[in-house]
Amino acid sequence: AQKITQTQPGMFVQEKEAVTLDCTYDTSDPSYGLFWYKQPSSGEMIFLIYQGSYDQQNATEGRYSLNFQKARKSANLVISASQLGDSAMYFCAMREGGAGNTGKLIFGQGTTLQVKP
Amino acid sequence: DAGVTQSPTHLIKTRGQQVTLRCSPKSGHDTVSWYQQALGQGPQFIFQYYEEEERQRGNFPDRFSGHQFPNYSSELNVNALLLGDSALYLCASSLWGQGVYQETQYFGPGTRLLVL
Repeated sequence: AQKITQTQPGMFVQEKEAVTLDCTYDTSDPSYGLFWYKQPSSGEMIFLIYQGSYDQQNATEGRYSLNFQKARKSANLVISASQLGDSAMYFCAMREGGAGNTGKLIFGQGTTLQVKP
Repeated sequence: DAGVTQSPTHLIKTRGQQVTLRCSPKSGHDTVSWYQQALGQGPQFIFQYYEEEERQRGNFPDRFSGHQFPNYSSELNVNALLLGDSALYLCASSLWGQGVYQETQYFGPGTRLLVL
């Protein structure tokens, strides 16, 4: 069964330092996509970064990068040079790509990140 | 470029009542998905609509129903509300057929439903 695991309920990081948020996944589908979303206290889910299962390079978007280790089924989010505005809940999500799948996202439990000044 | 919008932002209902939540997708998108997020949890998929049809459904009872209109906007209806239906309801839009694992869903701000 498809599953996403985020084992860090809460993380602290000093402003301007880098932080890694862990995500492991489980799927038997060879075709899938992995996503990270940020959810501030306001509630809106903000898309950060995407990695496809066949992508050879790790995805990067500005200060966000995804450390994709396919054999270990992990897709950790790295935030460089943390800012106070990065304080939020972060969710890892997966979408399987098999026939008949229409886009259902499976989410992990989330990690709360707090950036200290 | 208009993002995903949802209405209302907050709603208070009593047990047994019915509620309708609304969503307008991001400009250019044709697919709408609905998620329920209980406090402290990750979102759970309710269903997805494309071409005015429900394409996939999560593990939710028939009390949860939806509709998509020709302009791609969507409604989520919940009948016979239970206390456990209290949650943040998120709508996400996307563009159909972008490649089965390349599609990105963009979320609206959500509707916070409280059932008393």
